[in-house]
Amino acid sequence: QVHLVESGGGVVQPGKSLRLSCEGSEFTFNNHGIHWVRQAPGKGLEWVAVISYGGNSKHYADSVKGRFTISRDSSKNTVYLQMNTLRPEDTGVYYCAKPDREGDHDRPFDLWGQGTPVTVSS
Amino acid sequence: IQMTQSPSSLSASVGSRVTITCRASQYITNYLAWYQQKPGKVPKLLIKAASTLQSGVPSRFSGSGSGTEFTLTISSLQPDDVATYYCQKYNSAPLTFGGGTKVEIK
Repeated sequence: QVHLVESGGGVVQPGKSLRLSCEGSEFTFNNHGIHWVRQAPGKGLEWVAVISYGGNSKHYADSVKGRFTISRDSSKNTVYLQMNTLRPEDTGVYYCAKPDREGDHDRPFDLWGQGTPVTVSS
Repeated sequence: IQMTQSPSSLSASVGSRVTITCRASQYITNYLAWYQQKPGKVPKLLIKAASTLQSGVPSRFSGSGSGTEFTLTISSLQPDDVATYYCQKYNSAPLTFGGGTKVEIK
């Protein structure tokens, strides 16, 4: 069964860093762009970042630009989200999600991971 | 581009018709998706390309619209439809979501 699994979440102090991972299996992971979406407690969905299937195209939400970096390791079927200079407003559940078509990352998401929680607090 | 949903919440009777509106601040053709998120669950894709029902989604769900104004309609609300619904534009990054519409049973 196809799935995405996030890991790396936790509790961290403001200003610190955290790296999230998203591993995919049972589909051609390396032919898909991968997105990160977050959801603050009790709030709506916020798109965070995307990396293209080849890794050469990356885009970020204004709220994380310059602090977060998305990357991928094709040999491990894994996408990473390096989060630096974390703020309390970065608190939430972080989901990775797969577009419904290979090759085009500007597509709706037909597969989501279960999410990994991040808490930024002193 | 901003995505604005209305209403932010609604309460309706079982069997009633429910309509949710999503407005884009700029023209997005039909690059519009709808998601359903039940309490404590992961979002689920319902509709893409403004009106194409995702496989396995009940036919009581439908989408319409193009350009800047879109609607999600539930033709006969069921208890299983209690959830928050989000629109999302996907013509280009950032793939912005609307603020969500919480649907409850009256």
